[in-house]
Amino acid sequence: AQSVTQPDIHITVSEGASLELRCNYSYGATPYLFWYVQSPGQGLQLLLKYFSGDTLVQGIKGFEAEFKRSQSSFNLRKPSVHWSDAAEYFCAVIGQGGKLIFGQGTELSVKP
Amino acid sequence: DTGVSQNPRHKITKRGQNVTFRCDPISEHNRLYWYRQTLGQGPEFLTYFQNEAQLEKSRLLSDRFSAERPKGSFSTLEIQRTEQGDSAMYLCASSTERRTGKMDQPQHFGDGTRLSIL
Repeated sequence: AQSVTQPDIHITVSEGASLELRCNYSYGATPYLFWYVQSPGQGLQLLLKYFSGDTLVQGIKGFEAEFKRSQSSFNLRKPSVHWSDAAEYFCAVIGQGGKLIFGQGTELSVKP
Repeated sequence: DTGVSQNPRHKITKRGQNVTFRCDPISEHNRLYWYRQTLGQGPEFLTYFQNEAQLEKSRLLSDRFSAERPKGSFSTLEIQRTEQGDSAMYLCASSTERRTGKMDQPQHFGDGTRLSIL
């Protein structure tokens, strides 16, 4: 069965520091992968997506993610975190019928 | 593109009451999805429509839940005889399906309806 695992429930980084959020997926074929961000009480905003081609994908707000088939991973990175990046981040894979299968989420806190 | 709109944003009701939520997708999107998100968890799939046809329902969708998309535009999600465990954020998302049938179009989410059961 398709699944997504985000090992880190909560991460705290200092403003200006680099960030990496981990995501591992389980999927038989080539996955379609996404990262979404959610601010408190809000819906989900798409940061970036991977369908095929270049394994390093660029997204909005300076985020990027790298697809590594050998490790079944799709980790999200940002070289320098801003206080406004504090939010919940979700990794997701497309399942049968186009529905999204989400990980548990990683809550990001940013220290001044 | 006015985005996906959900109403109401918040709903507080007593246990046993019926509630109905509405979702207006992006106008040219033919696919509409409902998800439920509980505190500290990622969204979980409930059901989806392609145009007016409901194509899949999750096991999470008990017989107290019903969803419709009568004209292939807006959708409603109704919960009958609400229970404490129904307290959650209900999210709606829409997307287009390519003619190739590839499921590679991103889903755009509304801000959700937060349901609280007293």
